[in-house]
Amino acid sequence: KQEVTQIPAALSVPEGENLVLNCSFTDSAIYNLQWFRQDPGKGLTSLLLIQSSQREQTSGRLNASLDKSSGRSTLYIAASQPGDSATYLCAASNFGNEKLTFGTGTRLTIIP
Amino acid sequence: GAVVSQHPSRVICKSGTSVKIECRSLDFQATTMFWYRQFPKQSLMLMATSNEGSKATYEQGVEKDKFLINHASLTLSTLTVTSAHPEDSSFYICSASRGSGYTFGSGTRLTVV
Repeated sequence: KQEVTQIPAALSVPEGENLVLNCSFTDSAIYNLQWFRQDPGKGLTSLLLIQSSQREQTSGRLNASLDKSSGRSTLYIAASQPGDSATYLCAASNFGNEKLTFGTGTRLTIIP
Repeated sequence: GAVVSQHPSRVICKSGTSVKIECRSLDFQATTMFWYRQFPKQSLMLMATSNEGSKATYEQGVEKDKFLINHASLTLSTLTVTSAHPEDSSFYICSASRGSGYTFGSGTRLTVV
């Protein structure tokens, strides 16, 4: 059974800093790994999707990496802005199973 | 891009009544949709997988007679919370899978009083 963990649970950084969010998974036979953003009381917005055969994906100031052998993914946010404040969730799906297993999330606060 | 519309966004109901939540894929056909619930400051927990034209598959511990799921068309799945109680108050979110990942609805905040 896939288990996904995110550490830390909460993070506060000053505006302008670069930061890294961590995601760990127990079953390396993943099909893909996806990063989402959730604002309070809202649904999920997809940020980046990394397929099993890929090692990283980039979109603007965001870069996500995937290391299946170590069971880890990271989300790098460059030049953070107050608007980046939200909860970030990673989720993994496995081969032969469309279900997404979500991590516990990291609540990010960017301090102006 | 793929859009999933979920309604209502908020609903307050009396204990013992039933509430229906709709999830529509607007610009693509979704043979499979997923229903999650999320308690405050917690992650999303999968409740069930909704398959068009067949019965939903429920996760362990989820009462299928309480959370009725119908996926009658390729663009619509509904979740009905029957005989709702205060402990059913939660944030419910649907999603649909596509080859390029998953798209989520905006969620429904259910409050049972």
